Amino acid sequence: AQTVTQSQPEMSVQEAETVTLSCTYDTSESNYYLFWYKQPPSRQMILVIRQEAYKQQNATENRFSVNFQKAAKSFSLKISDSQLGDTAMYFCAFNTDKLIFGTGTRLQVFP
Amino acid sequence: DSGVTQTPKHLITATGQRVTLRCSPRSGDLSVYWYQQSLDQGLQFLIQYYNGEERAKGNILERFSAQQFPDLHSELNLSSLELGDSALYFCASSLPGSRYNEQFFGPGTRLTVL
Repeated sequence: AQTVTQSQPEMSVQEAETVTLSCTYDTSESNYYLFWYKQPPSRQMILVIRQEAYKQQNATENRFSVNFQKAAKSFSLKISDSQLGDTAMYFCAFNTDKLIFGTGTRLQVFP
Repeated sequence: DSGVTQTPKHLITATGQRVTLRCSPRSGDLSVYWYQQSLDQGLQFLIQYYNGEERAKGNILERFSAQQFPDLHSELNLSSLELGDSALYFCASSLPGSRYNEQFFGPGTRLTVL
């Protein structure tokens, strides 16, 4: 079975600091995609960053970057220079033909 | 704005009733996915349609059904509603064959069963 595990239910960080959210997954597939979605209080699902499994290079989108370790099946999200607007639930997701989500990490950014 | 629309935004109904949730995918997207998010939970995949045909099924109850119409909009029908069906229901769409096969989410329909 394909599973996604987010072991940190809640995290907090001070504004302008850096925080890393963890995600591990399990699959026997060789080609797949990994995503981080953000869900702010509005409950809208917003794509933050994406990674192709066959690409060794870690994806980066402005202040967001990932540390993708394929052998370890790990896909962590680093948020640099945290902002108050980053406060949200963050979901890691794994995609072959459908998205499988982790249970989420609630991130609180404090001033 | 993802380009995916869902109606209604909110729905309040009673146990035993039946409701229909509607989704219009992004222009050009052929696949529609339905997800259920219960309170403080992750998203559970329910079902996928591709160009009118059912493509994949997840944890969808027998009381739930869906379809995709020729104009590619989709409807999720929930019947014999129970209190535990209260949740946020998301629709997402994608264009299979796109580079990441990424899914774009609508704003969701919040269903409350009293």
